Amino acid sequence: EPEVTQTPSHQVTQMGQEVILRCVPISNHLYFYWYRQILGQKVEFLVSFYNNEISEKSEIFDDQFSVERPDGSNFTLKIRSTKLEDSAMYFCASRAEKTQYFGPGTRLLVL
Amino acid sequence: QQQVKQSPQSLIVQKGGISIINCAYENTAFDYFPWYQQFPGKGPALLIAIRPDVSEKKEGRFTISFNKSAKQFSLHIMDSQPGDSATYFCAASKGANNLFFGTGTRLTVIP
Repeated sequence: EPEVTQTPSHQVTQMGQEVILRCVPISNHLYFYWYRQILGQKVEFLVSFYNNEISEKSEIFDDQFSVERPDGSNFTLKIRSTKLEDSAMYFCASRAEKTQYFGPGTRLLVL
Repeated sequence: QQQVKQSPQSLIVQKGGISIINCAYENTAFDYFPWYQQFPGKGPALLIAIRPDVSEKKEGRFTISFNKSAKQFSLHIMDSQPGDSATYFCAASKGANNLFFGTGTRLTVIP
């Protein structure tokens, strides 16, 4: 069964550093999403992406965040200058029809 | 603003019992209500979903009950098994777009 994959599984970075989280969505899906989950809290929407542009973003997704689909398979989330409060699990999801399929996540720890 | 409220926060059920998790939503524009199951270290996985034009949907041991007038929906897990022990999230969206998640319910099924 096709699945969403994410790399790396864990990332530790220093505050102020840039990080890039990578996702490979399911191949025939057209809608892509990033969510985050701070430890012990609910999953929160960050951004949705369709037809090579952002279709919707939340208040969390400020100027420090950007997304890109650099080629036909990868979907990336960049955090330009990480803050301590960016520490969370970041999930990528993709969708063809109604169902969003989530990847296993990248656990980001900002020190 | 909490778009989706979920209760209880945690639930302990004996094997064979019924697990019931409740959610309430605020936005009447929501038209897609999925339930996700999450195991530790994994991404959320779709369990079952419902649209507001039906009051109940059943898939195996899992049933969603939906009350449009009360803006509430619930997940019932019949004959709960230890393998069902996980965190369950309700969610809601408009048009299967970005999902608004509840705060999660940690279910423990005791053998």
